[in-house]
Amino acid sequence: LAKTTQPISMDSYEGQEVNITCSHNNIATNDYITWYQQFPSQGPRFIIQGYKTKVTNEVASLFIPADRKSSTLSLPRVSLSDTAVYYCLVAGPGTYKYIFGTGTRLKVLA
Amino acid sequence: NAGVTQTPKFRVLKTGQSMTLLCAQDMNHEYMYWYRQDPGMGLRLIHYSVGEGTTAKGEVPDGYNVSRLKKQNFLLGLESAAPSQTSVYFCASRKTSVETQYFGPGTRLLVL
Repeated sequence: LAKTTQPISMDSYEGQEVNITCSHNNIATNDYITWYQQFPSQGPRFIIQGYKTKVTNEVASLFIPADRKSSTLSLPRVSLSDTAVYYCLVAGPGTYKYIFGTGTRLKVLA
Repeated sequence: NAGVTQTPKFRVLKTGQSMTLLCAQDMNHEYMYWYRQDPGMGLRLIHYSVGEGTTAKGEVPDGYNVSRLKKQNFLLGLESAAPSQTSVYFCASRKTSVETQYFGPGTRLLVL
């Protein structure tokens, strides 16, 4: 299982773009990178997933450099409702176990 | 389509009591997971199942047992509850071919 490292916390202001970087130096060839969002008192929710280069959906973008040893979740123009904990997971097909880590606690300020 | 549901939402136990947490999913997912989350911490995997009738240990399995008699249900049992098991328990499921987990709303357990 690839170990991931993220900043413990980040603060931002409404309307700003937020970038959260995850380091995963021992990512395997078949591993995907998945980001989850967790609000207080709720279960994590899938945000985005990618394998390489750039992935974009209606919520976020995911940037993955060629060496895939890190990835960056980009949240455009955050609002107060984006205040949550964001987890980066690295796993491949056939993975049974997952290690979530402590995630990044994002606080969006007015 | 309810997704993943958990029963109960909240429970208070005394030390030594037993209980079972129920997780149900209606997405026909093969894999199911039980996690616990302590305050300010990430999720830690307790047990998981890759299919009906199969279970395996995760990162923190001690003090818990599980069963998966039906594909849609995954039960987590505490035989003799301890205060250290006070936590929020999350269930998740996913399809074999997709690396995306769907989580339930959680069960908050307080052991006195």
